[in-house]
Amino acid sequence: QLQLQESGSGLVKPSQTLSLTCAVSGGSISSGGYSWSWIRQPPGKGLEWIGYIYQTGSTYYNPSLKSRVTISVDRSKNQFSLRLSSVTAADTAVYYCARAATYGDYVDYWGQGTLVTVSS
Amino acid sequence: EIVLTQSPATLSLSPGERATLSCRASQSISSYLAWYQQKPGQAPRLLIYDASNRATGIPARFSGSGSGTDFTLTISSLEPEDFAVYYCQRELTFGGGTKVEIK
Repeated sequence: QLQLQESGSGLVKPSQTLSLTCAVSGGSISSGGYSWSWIRQPPGKGLEWIGYIYQTGSTYYNPSLKSRVTISVDRSKNQFSLRLSSVTAADTAVYYCARAATYGDYVDYWGQGTLVTVSS
Repeated sequence: EIVLTQSPATLSLSPGERATLSCRASQSISSYLAWYQQKPGQAPRLLIYDASNRATGIPARFSGSGSGTDFTLTISSLEPEDFAVYYCQRELTFGGGTKVEIK
């Protein structure tokens, strides 16, 4: 059974960089046919896809966040990471890592989510 | 960019009733649509993909239909555990969600 687990700082100061890592277990991040994604959800609001990375290292970012986002993969550790720079209070959210099938971008596995609060 | 509009925002029903949720796309998306269920404090769970295919382990009371721009998620008889928020999704876009609450 595939499992994803987010880790990183739960509190980030405005203008600083948010950094999260997603550890994948029960399967290989190098498996073809999937993308590895970050999705966030502000408190009480809906879901927003941040971006994804393939095992090849190619990435796609939400245009609204593209200038601030970097997603990277570490195959040796079977994990992938998110960096979001110049954060503001609007970036406060639960951040999920997830696996999506390349066909249809359907998300079949999710991490439990981690709350990141942007505050001084 | 595709926009997905879900309606209603909130659906108030009793256990045993039928729930009908709508998702409308701003342009034709063929049958490439998924539905997710999210309960408080939990990650979303994939229910339906390709508009009408149930994901692994999803009960038969959940069904999806539609193609093009209009899609429907139907819960034939609501169980207590079905009261939750439901999202539709196409590629990297999610709808705004429908909350199914107990009447």
